[in-house]
Amino acid sequence: DAKTTQPNSMESNEEEPVHLPCNHSTISGTDYIHWYRQLPSQGPEYVIHGLTSNVNNRMASLAIAEDRKSSTLILHRATLRDAAVYYCIPTNAGGTSYGKLTFGQGTILTVHP
Amino acid sequence: EAGVTQFPSHSVIEKGQTVTLRCDPISGHDNLYWYRRVMGKEIKFLLHFVKESKQDESGMPNNRFLAERTGGTYSTLKVQPAELEDSGVYFCASSQPDRSSYNSPLHFGNGTRLTVT
Repeated sequence: DAKTTQPNSMESNEEEPVHLPCNHSTISGTDYIHWYRQLPSQGPEYVIHGLTSNVNNRMASLAIAEDRKSSTLILHRATLRDAAVYYCIPTNAGGTSYGKLTFGQGTILTVHP
Repeated sequence: EAGVTQFPSHSVIEKGQTVTLRCDPISGHDNLYWYRRVMGKEIKFLLHFVKESKQDESGMPNNRFLAERTGGTYSTLKVQPAELEDSGVYFCASSQPDRSSYNSPLHFGNGTRLTVT
């Protein structure tokens, strides 16, 4: 599995954009980059995923570096509900290992009113 | 649609007792996963069912853990006998079986918090 490095914690103010970085320098060419988050007292929640191109959905945007060794999850306007632990997870796209996510420590995001 | 549901939400048992955790996946999801987080550690994969078959059980810690998914619907995870180190939060997740299943997002339940005293 590709090793990931994320900041232990980040802080933001409500209504401001948040950029959550992730380094995954050992990612393989076929690994997708998935982001999940875990709100307090809940299970992990899917946020977004991508392979090479930048991706947008209703929750966030994902910017992937051209060499794919890093990516950034972008929350365009943070809300208090976005306070969570964010996990960057490279995922093997093939074989039988899909769904076998390797969670790291993640980044604890604190959002201030 | 109803999400993944887990029961009970909390369980406190004594060392040596048996506990059974239940997971109801989202209707129609063939893929079902169990994960757990023990105190101070990262969330770890336990096993993966495709319908009623175990696809991957490489994360099961030892033979005190038994997972079943009879009929390919709900799943149970039994711990017998429970040990202190089994304390943690057990998560269940499911995903739909489309042709790009490797990228189907996992839908997690809120977990069962197990405390072994």
